Amino acid sequence: RKEVEQDPGPFNVPEGATVAFNCTYSNSASQSFFWYRQDCRKEPKLLMSVYSSGNEDGRFTAQLNRASQYISLLIRDSKLSDSATYLCVVKGTGGFKTIFGAGTRLFVKA
Amino acid sequence: NAGVMQNPRHLVRRRGQEARLRCSPMKGHSHVYWYRQLPEEGLKFMVYLQKENIIDESGMPKERFSAEFPKEGPSILRIQQVVRGDSAAYFCASSGDRGNEQFFGPGTRLTVL
Repeated sequence: RKEVEQDPGPFNVPEGATVAFNCTYSNSASQSFFWYRQDCRKEPKLLMSVYSSGNEDGRFTAQLNRASQYISLLIRDSKLSDSATYLCVVKGTGGFKTIFGAGTRLFVKA
Repeated sequence: NAGVMQNPRHLVRRRGQEARLRCSPMKGHSHVYWYRQLPEEGLKFMVYLQKENIIDESGMPKERFSAEFPKEGPSILRIQQVVRGDSAAYFCASSGDRGNEQFFGPGTRLTVL
């Protein structure tokens, strides 16, 4: 089993749609969780951290379920500019080794 | 406030040559991470360094690869005797003392002919 697994995608959605990405992790002792966005041939950019209480930033909502070892990202009112690969990231105990999921590709179409 | 800088952005080497990739972390950051991304694949952790120390190199291939982060100057990822399979994008990231959120450089794209 992979340490971090994501929906394989790609997701093809129309503008304005709501789309949800899921991610599971295998190490129950993991401490920190993030969503990154990566555009084609560019570096990953931090989208948001994920907290146990859930957090929201504009159209983006992230949630963490420690019991199920599950992280989600919800994007509301999708824009064309949201088209990218979304990476689920888990940081282990000790605070350094960081595991990236393989990513889920999103295409938002007009 | 300059972000993470990497150079060169593109590097072409012939099989058997050496590749040196440089990374300057964000100002004030003392933690550096190196990742490799093969085409159409996810990022793979290679090594984590703090100033002058390798903290975790569990993702580094056992041979030909080495990394350093000297007291002065950038972090260096060195690949000796490159092979075609080393062709990839190599990303560097840095973080502050809390060591949580990582900020990435633009990457170095290595092509081995």
